[in-house]
Amino acid sequence: KAGVTQTPRYLIKTRGQQVTLSCSPISGHRSVSWYQQTPGQGLQFLFEYFSETQRNKGNFPGRFSGRQFSNSRSEMNVSTLELGDSALYLCASSRDFRAEAFFGQGTRLTVV
Amino acid sequence: GQQVMQIPQYQHVQEGEDFTTYCNSSTTLSNIQWYKQRPGGHPVFLIQLVKSGEVKKQKRLTFQFGEAKKNSSLHITATQTTDVGTYFCAGPHGNAGNMLTFGGGTRLMVKP
Repeated sequence: KAGVTQTPRYLIKTRGQQVTLSCSPISGHRSVSWYQQTPGQGLQFLFEYFSETQRNKGNFPGRFSGRQFSNSRSEMNVSTLELGDSALYLCASSRDFRAEAFFGQGTRLTVV
Repeated sequence: GQQVMQIPQYQHVQEGEDFTTYCNSSTTLSNIQWYKQRPGGHPVFLIQLVKSGEVKKQKRLTFQFGEAKKNSSLHITATQTTDVGTYFCAGPHGNAGNMLTFGGGTRLMVKP
């Protein structure tokens, strides 16, 4: 069974640009969550999608958005990038409510 | 809001010594999950504890969930160099789907 796949693995962007990250969950998993990981703030929840609907949202500005498609694949978008957005962005899929999360390898975003 | 604290932040041990990391939540948890992240890697699910006072073992790893379901611990007996990494505890945020609040993690370093 294939794991969670995130693309791209690495990305370098300039301040003010926008970026789209992609996540393909494990087959059969309908819940996809996104997390931001930085050395200073640790792992912080961005949002969760379930059956194409945003079910939960963390405490991030509106520049961070996401969506989920009918095949459960998810994308997250960050507009007007800031230096502080440099981080490892992790996607996790879950089979059920409050089940364990399976993480992808992440996208390392560097904003210069 | 819900907070999950972990101590210690870092731990250096000699190979063969024991290691323990502690996790405390500001609110009662429905369950607690533990993850391990190797350097340069992504979080990998280790275990989920659900019942008050629950103890589970995985080879040299022992996980405990407190009676009040607000604290947890992970104990590793006779550490090995393969145990190197950061150990995170995480709790579901209220009834909010699969949103997880992560502790800050304990980074374990093992000297051979």
